[in-house]
Amino acid sequence: KAGVTQTPRYLIKTRGQQVTLSCSPISGHRSVSWYQQTPGQGLQFLFEYFSETQRNKGNFPGRFSGRQFSNSRSEMNVSTLELGDSALYLCASSWTDRPRVYEQYFGPGTRLTVT
Amino acid sequence: SQQGEEDPQALSIQEGENATMNCSYKTSINNLQWYRQNSGRGLVHLILIRSNEREKHSGRLRVTLDTSKKSSSLLITASRAADTASYFCATDAEVGRTGNQFYFGTGTSLTVIP
Repeated sequence: KAGVTQTPRYLIKTRGQQVTLSCSPISGHRSVSWYQQTPGQGLQFLFEYFSETQRNKGNFPGRFSGRQFSNSRSEMNVSTLELGDSALYLCASSWTDRPRVYEQYFGPGTRLTVT
Repeated sequence: SQQGEEDPQALSIQEGENATMNCSYKTSINNLQWYRQNSGRGLVHLILIRSNEREKHSGRLRVTLDTSKKSSSLLITASRAADTASYFCATDAEVGRTGNQFYFGTGTSLTVIP
């Protein structure tokens, strides 16, 4: 079974631009969660989707948004990029609507650099 | 911050030795999980321990949970060079009206010297 895939793997953007990151979960998984990892703030939860509905949201500004499609694929969008948005963005999928209660499977991440 | 704190921040041991890392957290939790991350890549789930459990084993891994002290420890026995990675604890906690939140600890960087 293929793992969680994230595209693109690396991305360089300029301040003020917007970016869309994509995540394809493991086949059969209906839950997708997004995390941001930076050296300063560590790993932080962004949001969680199940069956196209946002179930939980972390403490991030409205510039960060996401969505999930009927095939469980998910995208996250960051508008008006700031230097501090440079990070590794990780996506995780789970078969359950309680992904933090059971195991999550992480993708390799998208490395975003904002210049 | 609601994040957990991990101790030590970095640990260097010889192959074959045991490695112990600790995690402390601030809020009541539903469960606590440990993850491994190799060199800035994705995380790999290691083990999950529920709030009503005190100890759990998986292969060379042993996890304990003390909810009264809000702390957990991960023991890796007979370490191998391939265990070199960063290890994170993560807690699933209910936080007021915002619902469940998932907090990662600051991580322990483990180096196993062959």
